[in-house]
Amino acid sequence: SQQGEEDPQALSIQEGENATMNCSYKTSINNLQWYRQNSGRGLVHLILIRSNEREKHSGRLRVTLDTSKKSSSLLITASRAADTASYFCATDGPTIQGAQKLVFGQGTRLTINP
Amino acid sequence: EPEVTQTPSHQVTQMGQEVILRCVPISNHLYFYWYRQILGQKVEFLVSFYNNEISEKSEIFDDQFSVERPDGSNFTLKIRSTKLEDSAMYFCASSVDRYYNEQFFGPGTRLTVL
Repeated sequence: SQQGEEDPQALSIQEGENATMNCSYKTSINNLQWYRQNSGRGLVHLILIRSNEREKHSGRLRVTLDTSKKSSSLLITASRAADTASYFCATDGPTIQGAQKLVFGQGTRLTINP
Repeated sequence: EPEVTQTPSHQVTQMGQEVILRCVPISNHLYFYWYRQILGQKVEFLVSFYNNEISEKSEIFDDQFSVERPDGSNFTLKIRSTKLEDSAMYFCASSVDRYYNEQFFGPGTRLTVL
């Protein structure tokens, strides 16, 4: 299997604190993406980081990628109640012909307490 | 902002019946995907589609499954004879570029097989 797991499986913090989630994978990748899923709903694309990038920012999100360790982290700063959701990392690659499937991890369930 | 849309949002069917799940990908996207998520589990890849043919399919995507792009906008997943274990959330996704493979997901169709 290409994908490792997210860590932790569940995280509960106070509003305003920072939340860090980690993702590991097993094989070489082209891209790593993070998605958010509110309970029973669709997947919202958060950020994509390419294999030759080490860090990327988008608003309150910061993603790092360490290809030597085959791991990534997602940091959400100044968390809000609305950030309560499950967060998944997904990888693709190595390159093949045609469309590139994503392989998802198990996800981290993040709860922000008011 | 363009979105992937899916219909119906919820489909209830009897075991052995055929179902067709419909998706309208983002209009300028060229790569199309179906994934599924059994309740409480991770998102699993089913099939990818490009240039009017299947690029890759998973072990889940057996002879009971088929995909079609019948016109320039719709992308459908057909399950010929549903089983209880097909009950899941089915997500359609699309991307414009397989290298910078940012996949955008629809809201999903919840399939319940009785």
